[in-house]
Amino acid sequence: AQKITQTQPGMFVQEKEAVTLDCTYDTSDPSYGLFWYKQPSSGEMIFLIYQGSYDQQNATEGRYSLNFQKARKSANLVISASQLGDSAMYFCAMREGPGGYQKVTFGIGTKLQVIP
Amino acid sequence: GAVVSQHPSRVICKSGTSVKIECRSLDFQATTMFWYRQFPKQSLMLMATSNEGSKATYEQGVEKDKFLINHASLTLSTLTVTSAHPEDSSFYICSSHSGEFSTDTQYFGPGTRLTVL
Repeated sequence: AQKITQTQPGMFVQEKEAVTLDCTYDTSDPSYGLFWYKQPSSGEMIFLIYQGSYDQQNATEGRYSLNFQKARKSANLVISASQLGDSAMYFCAMREGPGGYQKVTFGIGTKLQVIP
Repeated sequence: GAVVSQHPSRVICKSGTSVKIECRSLDFQATTMFWYRQFPKQSLMLMATSNEGSKATYEQGVEKDKFLINHASLTLSTLTVTSAHPEDSSFYICSSHSGEFSTDTQYFGPGTRLTVL
């Protein structure tokens, strides 16, 4: 089974609107971490937000928030007030195990395009 | 956040030559670094985990003799693609774990685009 599933190959959003990028995960490890990264056309991977499996509250970082639903094993990324610069590939990723030294598995990504 | 650099950002080489890619953590000590490969329009695939002062751990299907990894210091890991062939052309990207900034986050370098002719 896929450890990270992103079912939206491409998404469009109007500038200034909010958009949700879906991510579901599969693990039997009670300790894990979930990440979202942004990859613009330049190729660099930009860390956006992190959610630990034991975190009680949903993570937020500026315009980014992570809708963490543990029972459903979903970790959707919500981008509020979309900007043209948000157009990029977005990858959901998971680390299994408690340490930051553990490897991270990536989903296939969602291409977001913000329309003026 | 933490800063990770990679050098070179882009390299073109002839088939059969070896190419070395450097990954540096600029403002923190990285005991663990990760090397990924990304083919066009695909996701990142982990190649190996690099630990300072010890042998790298390679993922299944990755040839350790072809992709040599050296993590000689807490700020530098190198990936050498030996006897490169056109099928090795890809985007190689490293990441580093920093316990100083966060116990869990991995920060990525800007990547190296390798083209083998």
